[in-house]
Amino acid sequence: IILTQSPASLAVSLGERATFDCKSSQSLLFDLNNKNYLAWYQQKPGQPPKLLISWASVRESGVPDRFTGSGSGTDFTLTISSLQDEDVAVYYCQQYLITAAVTFGGGTKVEL
Amino acid sequence: EVQLVDSGGGSVQPGESLRLTCTASGLMLTDYWMSWVRQAPGKGLEWVANIKQDGSEKFYVDSVKGRFTIARDNAKNSVYLQMNNLKVEDTAVYYCARAMVRGILWQIFDHWGQGTLVAVSS
Repeated sequence: IILTQSPASLAVSLGERATFDCKSSQSLLFDLNNKNYLAWYQQKPGQPPKLLISWASVRESGVPDRFTGSGSGTDFTLTISSLQDEDVAVYYCQQYLITAAVTFGGGTKVEL
Repeated sequence: EVQLVDSGGGSVQPGESLRLTCTASGLMLTDYWMSWVRQAPGKGLEWVANIKQDGSEKFYVDSVKGRFTIARDNAKNSVYLQMNNLKVEDTAVYYCARAMVRGILWQIFDHWGQGTLVAVSS
């Protein structure tokens, strides 16, 4: 499964909204449980990735509510409602529908 | 402190081998799927391999099949990546990562090691 993220980079002003996309080459919606097998991670320079969202829209504990995941099937979006300094990072989507072939998108770099 | 510690990276020549180790402190790995994920310099994330709780299932990205082997020792709360016949394109920071849900195969990674650098060059 190929995940294509767009744009590759994005410049946003403090307090403004940031929106970026992840498109899958095949549906990530599993019929049996009606769940989308997509996660979002944030990675800052020199650090490992941090899980933000799983199941396309379920925010992890401690993640600020300005982060929102949406979408279903093949098209997904991560929105930061009001960009803060600490949100400057690279964001990756990841599919886990196929345990034997996990894949990540190419990333979106968010800058001020 | 809850953490995964990656170690074993280094600088090697093409064709050589390395063994990476991921050890956990403050959290158990025994009941969880574990993965290795790598990141080439300035590039994105690439999943490399994963292993089931009891080691009975292992999967690899195509580019490392036949060269890398993932293993685990639950008694030592550790996971390993044996890398043979290394190539220049294997140069990357390697992270171990734990799947979030105990006993389930969903590869949602909630704990990551700090990474260990593998540099392959002649």
